[in-house]
Amino acid sequence: KAGVTQTPRYLIKTRGQQVTLSCSPISGHRSVSWYQQTPGQGLQFLFEYFSETQRNKGNFPGRFSGRQFSNSRSEMNVSTLELGDSALYLCASSLAGTGRGYGYTFGSGTRLTVV
Amino acid sequence: DQQVKQNSPSLSVQEGRISILNCDYTNSMFDYFLWYKKYPAEGPTFLISISSIKDKNEDGRFTVFLNKSAKHLSLHIVPSQPGDSAVYFCAASVAGTYKYIFGTGTRLKVLA
Repeated sequence: KAGVTQTPRYLIKTRGQQVTLSCSPISGHRSVSWYQQTPGQGLQFLFEYFSETQRNKGNFPGRFSGRQFSNSRSEMNVSTLELGDSALYLCASSLAGTGRGYGYTFGSGTRLTVV
Repeated sequence: DQQVKQNSPSLSVQEGRISILNCDYTNSMFDYFLWYKKYPAEGPTFLISISSIKDKNEDGRFTVFLNKSAKHLSLHIVPSQPGDSAVYFCAASVAGTYKYIFGTGTRLKVLA
C-alpha cells in the first residue's frame, strides 16, 4: 500500500514568488493535514481538510492556503514568499472516523528554501 | 505560546536500559496525546496515543503515562534498542478538532 506522497521533494524559490505543494494521501484516507516544520519550532499545524472542506486552521497568515480535491489529493499554496517561509512542509493523512487518537501517516515532506 | 513542551532537546541511553521521554502541556482542553518518532529525511511515524480519560497505555516496548493533575505525559521505551535512535515528538489534539499541537522534539540516542 503506497504511503503519503508529497511532490516535489525539494524546491528553491525567490522572495515574492508563490509556490504550490502537492500531497497524495493513502488510498481511502479522506482527512489531510499540513504542517510546517522549522528548527526550534517543531511542527506547526497549518490546516486540515476533509471531503474538500477545511475543518481546522492554524495560526498562519492568509498567504498560506490550501485545498482538497474530490479524490482527497490536496495542495497548499504560499503566496508572496518570505525568507521565513523556508521550512519542511509535511502532509499527513488519516482515515476519517477512526478517532483522533489513531494518529496520522506523514509523508516525507517538501523542503522549501526561499532565497 | 508553546502549549506543548519537550524541555529536553536530547537524551542518551544505553542499549537495554529504559528510555523516558517527557512532555508537559498547558491546555486543559487537550483530549488526546500522541507520540511520534522521526528519522532523518522521513516524515514522523505514529507510535502510541492515550486518551485524556486514561492514565496509561501500553503497546509492546512502548508505554505512555498521563498525569493530568501535573499536565505531564511521558513515553517509556523498555528495553531501548539502537534502532530507537530518532527524534520523538509528543502531540496533543484540541478537543473536538483535528488540530494537533506538537512539541519541539527530543532527540534520543541509544548507545550500543
